[in-house]
Amino acid sequence: AQKITQTQPGMFVQEKEAVTLDCTYDTSDPSYGLFWYKQPSSGEMIFLIYQGSYDQQNATEGRYSLNFQKARKSANLVISASQLGDSAMYFCAMREGNSGYSTLTFGKGTMLLVSP
Amino acid sequence: DAGVIQSPRHEVTEMGQEVTLRCKPISGHDYLFWYRQTMMRGLELLIYFNNNVPIDDSGMPEDRFSAKMPNASFSTLKIQPSEPRDSAVYFCASSPFTGSGANVLTFGAGSRLTVL
Repeated sequence: AQKITQTQPGMFVQEKEAVTLDCTYDTSDPSYGLFWYKQPSSGEMIFLIYQGSYDQQNATEGRYSLNFQKARKSANLVISASQLGDSAMYFCAMREGNSGYSTLTFGKGTMLLVSP
Repeated sequence: DAGVIQSPRHEVTEMGQEVTLRCKPISGHDYLFWYRQTMMRGLELLIYFNNNVPIDDSGMPEDRFSAKMPNASFSTLKIQPSEPRDSAVYFCASSPFTGSGANVLTFGAGSRLTVL
């Protein structure tokens, strides 16, 4: 079974509108971390936001927020006031466990296109 | 800090040739990762190191692939002999260990490999 599922291959949004990118995860570990990365057409992977499984509040970083619904095992990325520069591939990733170190497992990604 | 530095950015080679990809992690980061990205398989972890020691190489596809980290500031991923199916973008990433679970991976710009 996939550990990270991103069901939206592509999303379209108009500039200045908000958009939600979906991510569901699968783990039996009570301790885990969820990450979102952005990959623009230039190819680099840019870290956006992190949510720990024990964090009480949803993470926010500027225009990015993470809608964390633990019971549903979802960690959707919300981008407010979209900009043309937000057009990119977005990846959700998970790290399981909090003792020692474990690696990130990535989803397949969602391509976001922002139109004027 | 200049970030994670990878070279070459682009490599075109013929089947059967040896390919060496290079990575300089961020100074002070304890962990180094090699990922491969393809359209079909997404982002796959190949191998990762902790304090220059390989920890998990289960993602290395075949014996043709090898990785080394002779010191804290340098790692190589070698493919010998290369095959067309090795064509992909290879990312190096590094991470500190903070003990909190929020160990963010910082990625290099990637090395795009094309094997003809």
